[in-house]
Amino acid sequence: GAVVSQHPSRVICKSGTSVKIECRSLDFQATTMFWYRQFPKQSLMLMATSNEGSKATYEQGVEKDKFLINHASLTLSTLTVTSAHPEDSSFYICSASQPGEGGEKLFFGSGTQLSVL
Amino acid sequence: GQNIDQPTEMTATEGAIVQINCTYQTSGFNGLFWYQQHAGEAPTFLSYNVLDGLEEKGRFSSFLSRSKGYSYLLLKELQMKDSASYLCAVRAISGTYKYIFGTGTRLKVLA
Repeated sequence: GAVVSQHPSRVICKSGTSVKIECRSLDFQATTMFWYRQFPKQSLMLMATSNEGSKATYEQGVEKDKFLINHASLTLSTLTVTSAHPEDSSFYICSASQPGEGGEKLFFGSGTQLSVL
Repeated sequence: GQNIDQPTEMTATEGAIVQINCTYQTSGFNGLFWYQQHAGEAPTFLSYNVLDGLEEKGRFSSFLSRSKGYSYLLLKELQMKDSASYLCAVRAISGTYKYIFGTGTRLKVLA
Protein backbone atom coordinates (compact mmCIF):
# COMPACT_ATOMS: atom_id res chain seq x y z
CA GLY A 1 0.00 0.00 0.00
CA ALA A 2 0.88 3.66 -0.15
CA VAL A 3 3.21 5.18 2.43
CA VAL A 4 2.30 8.25 4.44
CA SER A 5 5.00 9.67 6.68
CA GLN A 6 4.13 11.82 9.69
CA HIS A 7 6.56 13.73 11.91
CA PRO A 8 7.18 14.15 14.73
CA SER A 9 5.83 11.03 16.38
CA ARG A 10 5.80 12.62 19.81
CA VAL A 11 5.90 16.21 21.03
CA ILE A 12 5.96 17.60 24.53
CA CYS A 13 5.62 21.36 24.71
CA LYS A 14 4.83 24.15 27.12
CA SER A 15 1.46 25.83 27.17
CA GLY A 16 1.32 28.79 24.79
CA THR A 17 3.79 27.46 22.24
CA SER A 18 2.97 26.41 18.69
CA VAL A 19 3.59 22.96 17.29
CA LYS A 20 3.88 21.98 13.64
CA ILE A 21 3.13 18.47 12.43
CA GLU A 22 4.14 17.35 8.95
CA CYS A 23 2.42 14.77 6.79
CA ARG A 24 4.04 13.52 3.58
CA SER A 25 2.89 11.08 0.94
CA LEU A 26 6.10 9.30 0.00
CA ASP A 27 5.27 7.34 -3.13
CA PHE A 28 2.20 9.03 -4.52
CA GLN A 29 0.69 12.46 -5.01
CA ALA A 30 -2.12 13.37 -2.66
CA THR A 31 -4.35 16.21 -3.73
CA THR A 32 -6.39 15.65 -0.59
CA MET A 33 -5.19 14.86 2.90
CA PHE A 34 -7.24 14.52 6.04
CA TRP A 35 -6.37 15.44 9.61
CA TYR A 36 -7.89 13.50 12.49
CA ARG A 37 -7.73 13.79 16.24
CA GLN A 38 -8.11 10.86 18.61
CA PHE A 39 -8.57 10.81 22.37
CA PRO A 40 -7.69 7.68 24.39
CA LYS A 41 -10.01 4.76 23.71
CA GLN A 42 -12.08 6.83 21.30
CA SER A 43 -12.36 6.80 17.56
CA LEU A 44 -10.96 9.20 15.01
CA MET A 45 -12.56 12.61 14.77
CA LEU A 46 -12.19 14.34 11.44
CA MET A 47 -10.81 17.83 11.99
CA ALA A 48 -10.32 19.09 8.47
CA THR A 49 -9.81 18.19 4.86
CA SER A 50 -6.65 19.63 3.36
CA ASN A 51 -6.71 20.41 -0.36
CA GLU A 52 -3.54 21.14 -2.31
CA GLY A 53 -3.40 24.74 -3.42
CA SER A 54 -6.56 25.86 -1.64
CA LYS A 55 -7.94 26.50 1.81
CA ALA A 56 -8.67 23.60 4.11
CA THR A 57 -12.24 22.63 4.89
CA TYR A 58 -12.79 22.46 8.62
CA GLU A 59 -15.38 20.36 10.41
CA GLN A 60 -17.93 22.00 12.62
CA GLY A 61 -16.50 22.94 15.99
CA VAL A 62 -12.86 22.95 14.87
CA GLU A 63 -11.21 26.36 15.21
CA LYS A 64 -9.46 27.21 11.96
CA ASP A 65 -7.36 29.91 13.61
CA LYS A 66 -6.09 27.46 16.19
CA PHE A 67 -5.42 24.53 13.88
CA LEU A 68 -3.70 25.98 10.84
CA ILE A 69 -3.47 23.68 7.85
CA ASN A 70 -1.25 24.25 4.85
CA HIS A 71 -1.12 21.96 1.82
CA ALA A 72 1.56 23.62 -0.25
CA SER A 73 2.44 20.70 -2.49
CA LEU A 74 0.99 17.40 -3.70
CA THR A 75 3.08 15.51 -1.18
CA LEU A 76 3.06 17.67 1.94
CA SER A 77 0.43 18.94 4.34
CA THR A 78 1.16 20.55 7.69
CA LEU A 79 -0.96 21.08 10.77
CA THR A 80 0.11 23.79 13.19
CA VAL A 81 -1.45 23.85 16.63
CA THR A 82 -1.13 27.49 17.64
CA SER A 83 -0.83 28.61 21.24
CA ALA A 84 -1.28 25.06 22.46
CA HIS A 85 -2.99 24.40 25.78
CA PRO A 86 -3.30 21.22 27.86
CA GLU A 87 -6.73 20.49 26.39
CA ASP A 88 -5.09 20.23 22.95
CA SER A 89 -3.14 17.20 24.16
CA SER A 90 -4.20 14.36 21.90
CA PHE A 91 -3.14 11.91 19.20
CA TYR A 92 -3.18 13.63 15.79
CA ILE A 93 -3.21 11.48 12.66
CA CYS A 94 -3.00 12.51 9.04
CA SER A 95 -4.16 10.45 6.11
CA ALA A 96 -4.21 10.57 2.35
CA SER A 97 -6.34 8.80 -0.19
CA GLN A 98 -4.95 6.99 -3.21
CA PRO A 99 -6.83 5.43 -6.12
CA GLY A 100 -6.06 1.79 -6.71
CA GLU A 101 -7.39 -1.65 -7.47
CA GLY A 102 -10.84 -1.92 -5.97
CA GLY A 103 -11.19 1.81 -5.61
CA GLU A 104 -9.75 4.62 -3.59
CA LYS A 105 -8.30 3.77 -0.19
CA LEU A 106 -7.25 5.86 2.78
CA PHE A 107 -3.72 5.46 4.17
CA PHE A 108 -2.58 6.85 7.50
CA GLY A 109 0.54 8.39 8.88
CA SER A 110 1.98 6.96 12.08
CA GLY A 111 0.40 9.68 14.21
CA THR A 112 1.72 12.38 16.53
CA GLN A 113 1.18 12.23 20.27
CA LEU A 114 1.02 15.82 21.50
CA SER A 115 1.37 16.52 25.21
CA VAL A 116 0.98 20.13 26.34
CA LEU A 117 2.24 20.87 29.85
CA GLY B 1 -26.17 14.07 9.58
CA GLN B 2 -23.71 11.24 9.81
CA ASN B 3 -24.02 8.44 12.33
CA ILE B 4 -22.00 5.25 12.59
CA ASP B 5 -22.49 2.69 15.36
CA GLN B 6 -20.37 -0.24 16.48
CA PRO B 7 -20.26 -2.26 19.70
CA THR B 8 -17.75 -0.79 22.12
CA GLU B 9 -16.04 -3.99 23.18
CA MET B 10 -16.00 -7.68 22.28
CA THR B 11 -14.16 -10.68 23.66
CA ALA B 12 -13.41 -13.91 21.83
CA THR B 13 -11.21 -16.98 22.17
CA GLU B 14 -8.12 -17.79 20.16
CA GLY B 15 -9.02 -19.91 17.14
CA ALA B 16 -12.65 -18.80 17.15
CA ILE B 17 -14.65 -16.66 14.69
CA VAL B 18 -15.92 -13.21 15.59
CA GLN B 19 -18.27 -10.86 13.76
CA ILE B 20 -18.12 -7.11 14.37
CA ASN B 21 -21.19 -5.22 13.22
CA CYS B 22 -21.47 -1.68 11.99
CA THR B 23 -24.61 0.28 11.18
CA TYR B 24 -24.57 3.65 9.53
CA GLN B 25 -26.79 6.52 8.49
CA THR B 26 -25.04 8.85 6.11
CA SER B 27 -25.85 11.02 3.15
CA GLY B 28 -23.79 10.65 0.01
CA PHE B 29 -22.61 7.11 0.83
CA ASN B 30 -19.73 6.05 -1.38
CA GLY B 31 -18.12 3.05 0.28
CA LEU B 32 -17.40 1.41 3.61
CA PHE B 33 -13.98 0.62 5.03
CA TRP B 34 -12.67 -1.44 7.91
CA TYR B 35 -9.43 -0.56 9.67
CA GLN B 36 -7.45 -2.22 12.44
CA GLN B 37 -5.76 -0.07 15.05
CA HIS B 38 -3.42 -1.22 17.80
CA ALA B 39 -3.05 1.03 20.81
CA GLY B 40 -0.84 4.04 20.13
CA GLU B 41 -0.53 3.26 16.44
CA ALA B 42 -2.18 4.50 13.28
CA PRO B 43 -5.00 2.52 11.67
CA THR B 44 -4.15 0.02 8.96
CA PHE B 45 -6.45 -0.83 6.06
CA LEU B 46 -8.27 -4.16 6.20
CA SER B 47 -11.10 -4.15 3.68
CA TYR B 48 -13.36 -2.06 1.49
CA ASN B 49 -16.92 -2.55 0.21
CA VAL B 50 -18.71 -0.32 -2.23
CA LEU B 51 -21.26 -2.83 -3.57
CA ASP B 52 -23.51 -5.18 -1.63
CA GLY B 53 -22.08 -8.54 -0.76
CA LEU B 54 -19.12 -10.25 0.82
CA GLU B 55 -15.47 -9.43 0.22
CA GLU B 56 -13.05 -12.08 1.42
CA LYS B 57 -9.40 -11.46 2.13
CA GLY B 58 -7.63 -14.29 3.91
CA ARG B 59 -8.82 -14.55 7.51
CA PHE B 60 -10.84 -11.35 7.16
CA SER B 61 -14.14 -10.87 5.33
CA SER B 62 -16.39 -7.87 5.13
CA PHE B 63 -20.04 -7.67 4.17
CA LEU B 64 -22.16 -4.73 3.07
CA SER B 65 -25.88 -4.15 2.68
CA ARG B 66 -26.48 -0.61 1.46
CA SER B 67 -30.25 -0.85 1.72
CA LYS B 68 -29.97 -1.75 5.41
CA GLY B 69 -27.08 0.58 6.18
CA TYR B 70 -25.23 -2.39 7.62
CA SER B 71 -21.81 -3.96 7.42
CA TYR B 72 -19.86 -6.55 9.35
CA LEU B 73 -16.26 -7.62 9.62
CA LEU B 74 -15.69 -11.34 10.10
CA LEU B 75 -12.44 -12.53 11.59
CA LYS B 76 -11.66 -16.25 11.39
CA GLU B 77 -9.08 -18.38 13.19
CA LEU B 78 -8.51 -15.64 15.73
CA GLN B 79 -4.97 -15.05 16.91
CA MET B 80 -3.74 -13.18 19.97
CA LYS B 81 -2.30 -10.47 17.70
CA ASP B 82 -5.84 -9.73 16.48
CA SER B 83 -6.50 -8.00 19.80
CA ALA B 84 -6.98 -4.41 18.64
CA SER B 85 -9.62 -1.82 17.86
CA TYR B 86 -11.57 -2.26 14.64
CA LEU B 87 -12.86 0.89 13.03
CA CYS B 88 -15.74 1.06 10.60
CA ALA B 89 -15.51 4.08 8.30
CA VAL B 90 -17.87 5.44 5.70
CA ARG B 91 -16.75 7.43 2.70
CA ALA B 92 -19.28 10.08 1.79
CA ILE B 93 -19.43 12.62 -0.98
CA SER B 94 -20.56 16.11 -0.19
CA GLY B 95 -18.79 18.20 -2.77
CA THR B 96 -15.58 16.38 -1.91
CA TYR B 97 -14.84 12.99 -0.37
CA LYS B 98 -15.00 12.69 3.38
CA TYR B 99 -14.21 9.68 5.57
CA ILE B 100 -16.21 9.38 8.77
CA PHE B 101 -15.18 6.86 11.41
CA GLY B 102 -17.33 4.92 13.84
CA THR B 103 -16.57 4.72 17.53
CA GLY B 104 -14.48 1.58 17.06
CA THR B 105 -14.79 -1.87 18.59
CA ARG B 106 -12.08 -3.02 21.01
CA LEU B 107 -11.57 -6.74 20.47
CA LYS B 108 -9.84 -8.80 23.13
CA VAL B 109 -8.67 -12.26 22.11
CA LEU B 110 -8.19 -14.65 25.00
CA ALA B 111 -5.99 -17.75 25.05
